[in-house]
Amino acid sequence: AQSVTQLGSHVSVSEGALVLLRCNYSSSVPPYLFWYVQYPNQGLQLLLKYTSAATLVKGINGFEAEFKKSETSFHLTKPSAHMSDAAEYFCAVKGNQGGKLIFGQGTELSVKP
Amino acid sequence: DSGVTQTPKHLITATGQRVTLRCSPRSGDLSVYWYQQSLDQGLQFLIQYYNGEERAKGNILERFSAQQFPDLHSELNLSSLELGDSALYFCASSVGGSRELFFGEGSRLTVL
Repeated sequence: AQSVTQLGSHVSVSEGALVLLRCNYSSSVPPYLFWYVQYPNQGLQLLLKYTSAATLVKGINGFEAEFKKSETSFHLTKPSAHMSDAAEYFCAVKGNQGGKLIFGQGTELSVKP
Repeated sequence: DSGVTQTPKHLITATGQRVTLRCSPRSGDLSVYWYQQSLDQGLQFLIQYYNGEERAKGNILERFSAQQFPDLHSELNLSSLELGDSALYFCASSVGGSRELFFGEGSRLTVL
């Protein structure tokens, strides 16, 4: 069965610093992987997705993620954090039944001035 | 704006009561998904419908039921409510296949 594990429920960085949010997946088939962001009192918004094309995926707001099959990882990065990046981030893998997504527990990103 | 509309945005009710949450998917999307988000359980998949038919079922309680209507909108019915049912309920829609899900802004249910 597919699953994802997000390492670190809370990450804090300074404004301008590198953002690294970790996600490891488990899948019995080639995975489709996603990162979503949730701002307070809002729904989930897609940041980027991996669907077996390029291993380095660029998303919105300067975020990118690299699919590493050997490490079963799909970590999310951004070179320079902005205050507006403070939110909760979810990694997800597409399940093998229907089209549902299976989400990790989420990582809350705080950005310090 | 994702194009997915959920109503109501907030709902406060008492234990033992029944509520209905409504979702209108993006135009053209045939799949609708329901998720529950709570602090202790995170984002849990409840159920999926595709073009009116149930496609997949997750951790949905027997007290909960859903359906998708011919116009593709969906309703999630929660009955015999308990305090622990207090959560944010999301609806999402998708074209299908490898495509992403588009989420509504959620319905926040508080059971007192």
